[in-house]
Amino acid sequence: NAGVTQTPKFRVLKTGQSMTLLCAQDMNHEYMYWYRQDPGMGLRLIHYSVGEGTTAKGEVPDGYNVSRLKKQNFLLGLESAAPSQTSVYFCASSRPGTSGNNEQFFGPGTRLTVL
Amino acid sequence: QQQVKQSPQSLIVQKGGISIINCAYENTAFDYFPWYQQFPGKGPALLIAIRPDVSEKKEGRFTISFNKSAKQFSLHIMDSQPGDSATYFCAATSRSGYNKLIFGAGTRLAVHP
Repeated sequence: NAGVTQTPKFRVLKTGQSMTLLCAQDMNHEYMYWYRQDPGMGLRLIHYSVGEGTTAKGEVPDGYNVSRLKKQNFLLGLESAAPSQTSVYFCASSRPGTSGNNEQFFGPGTRLTVL
Repeated sequence: QQQVKQSPQSLIVQKGGISIINCAYENTAFDYFPWYQQFPGKGPALLIAIRPDVSEKKEGRFTISFNKSAKQFSLHIMDSQPGDSATYFCAATSRSGYNKLIFGAGTRLAVHP
């Protein structure tokens, strides 16, 4: 099993350009998440999904959109990139449950630079 | 507003020493507290986790101590090894939160031989 994979690994954009980050998981997890990681700020949740066809906002959703058309895929879109979106983006997935103790499995990350 | 505060930002420990990382939280609805370990160029991975009904959990050289009344928890790494050099994140989530994690800012640990 590949676990959680992310495409691409690196990307450089110019301000105003758009792009889509792809996350795929082969663990049949219901829940998927997009985080951004910035120095000194830990990981912050952008958007998440609790099932195919559903999405919800996290802590820092502005400037991003997401889609979950298939259970195994979770796409993160930047419609008009800004330098403030320079970051490392991580996707994660987990099993469902209200107990709150289900491990999140993370992908290797995408390093995005916006010039 | 940072709901989970983590300290120190960086830590240097000699091989064989004890590494201690502290976290404090504000939201009393949090009921699950995991620690994630991240190596350079990799995604975070779950290291150890605790629920507030116990005061301590130990897995090998890693121990979480939990103080519910103070709303604080800490990670202790005994007999620290150079291979433990990584960034450590504490996190918290609540029972009704769809496993959404609130992370601390992270601690970069360097274990010198």
